Amino acid sequence: SAVISQKPSRDICQRGTSLTIQCQVDSQVTMMFWYRQQPGQSLTLIATANQGSEATYESGFVIDKFPISRPNLTFSTLTVSNMSPEDSSIYLCSVPFGNTIYFGEGSWLTVV
Amino acid sequence: GQSLEQPSEVTAVEGAIVQINCTYQTSGFYGLSWYQQHDGGAPTFLSYNALDGLEETGRFSSFLSRSDSYGYLLLQELQMKDSASYFCAVRDADSWGKFQFGAGTQVVVTP
Repeated sequence: SAVISQKPSRDICQRGTSLTIQCQVDSQVTMMFWYRQQPGQSLTLIATANQGSEATYESGFVIDKFPISRPNLTFSTLTVSNMSPEDSSIYLCSVPFGNTIYFGEGSWLTVV
Repeated sequence: GQSLEQPSEVTAVEGAIVQINCTYQTSGFYGLSWYQQHDGGAPTFLSYNALDGLEETGRFSSFLSRSDSYGYLLLQELQMKDSASYFCAVRDADSWGKFQFGAGTQVVVTP
């Protein structure tokens, strides 16, 4: 399985600010995925990040709010823009492995 | 569309056996996965079933019946450290890596 590292692991952010989360994988992968987990909720896919092309966003998520970069096959970033308390969540980077997916350690964001 | 149903909470004592059921509706089926998530932690992969039957990994087993669109995760010889949320998930038919997750089952293990 791949080793997936995320930074920051936790942060407390002021509303109206933006934060960029980094995801580093120890092997080259074609697709990387960003999920969100709101408190007490299940996981929801934000977008698929493919190297060399724009990210594909799921319904309810837009590029202006969650811009994503994928500069190479081992790295991606997710920015949460103009944060509000509703953005307080765990943000998870994931990569496919076989017929399933593995998650990074997650980034816990609290917006105050 | 896809949907998964699983119980919201299960409570059991140490040493007991717990079965977490998951029923799903999908437009195409590529297997059922299970994840464990402790409070304050990220989801970790437990098991995957693509074919009917039981897969055993130590104290945990996972079962699938494709004809019934049903699977379960069996936790045996429960330990306090098994207290966590457990999610079933299916892969989207159109996107490799896009998974639909159930709402999660909170397993509470008591002494």
